Amino acid sequence: QVQLQESGPGLVKPSQTLSLTCTVSGGSISTDTYYCNWIRQTAGKGLEWLGRIYTTGRTNHNPSLESRVTISVDTSKNQFSLKLTSVTAEDTAVYFCAREVYGWDSGSWYFDLWGRGTLVTVSS
Amino acid sequence: DIEMTQSPSTLSASVGDRVTIVCRASQSITSYLNWYQQKPGDAPKLLIYAASTLHSGVPSRFSGSGSGTDFTLTISSLQPEDFATYYCQNSYTIPLTFGGGTKVELK
Repeated sequence: QVQLQESGPGLVKPSQTLSLTCTVSGGSISTDTYYCNWIRQTAGKGLEWLGRIYTTGRTNHNPSLESRVTISVDTSKNQFSLKLTSVTAEDTAVYFCAREVYGWDSGSWYFDLWGRGTLVTVSS
Repeated sequence: DIEMTQSPSTLSASVGDRVTIVCRASQSITSYLNWYQQKPGDAPKLLIYAASTLHSGVPSRFSGSGSGTDFTLTISSLQPEDFATYYCQNSYTIPLTFGGGTKVELK
């Protein structure tokens, strides 16, 4: 059974870079095909999609974050990573990684598996 | 960006009630609409994808309908474990966007 687990520092200083990892267990990124998404949640802005990477390496990002977001994949470690640069207090949130798969029965994509999320606080 | 608007933001109901949540997209997303349930401290869980297809393992009391810009999630008979927050999600175009959520609470 595939599981996702986010990890990384819980506290980041303003102007620094937030770095998180999503480790996939119970499956192989090298052989499976899906998008790994990064989504964050705050009480004020709700659920916000940050971006995604296909297991082959193709990426999409939320234009609202401009060039601050970098998403990558490391097949040797079975991990996806998120980097968010120049953080401010507004980047304080619970960060989730979520698997997005294609439903051949419906022709649509959806998030069928989520990590438990990790709280990142931006503060000096 | 496609804006997703849910109503109501909070819904008070009793066990056994029929509950309907509305999600409206700012432009047509055809049937590329997903619904999730989230309980406090947990990640969202997929309920319905493609507007009306029930995800594996989800009870049949949940159903979804709609296309274009207007969608609904219905719980036919509310159970104690259904008190949670529900979100709709546009999967039609980038950036993927979510509704603001509807909290279903005990009346």
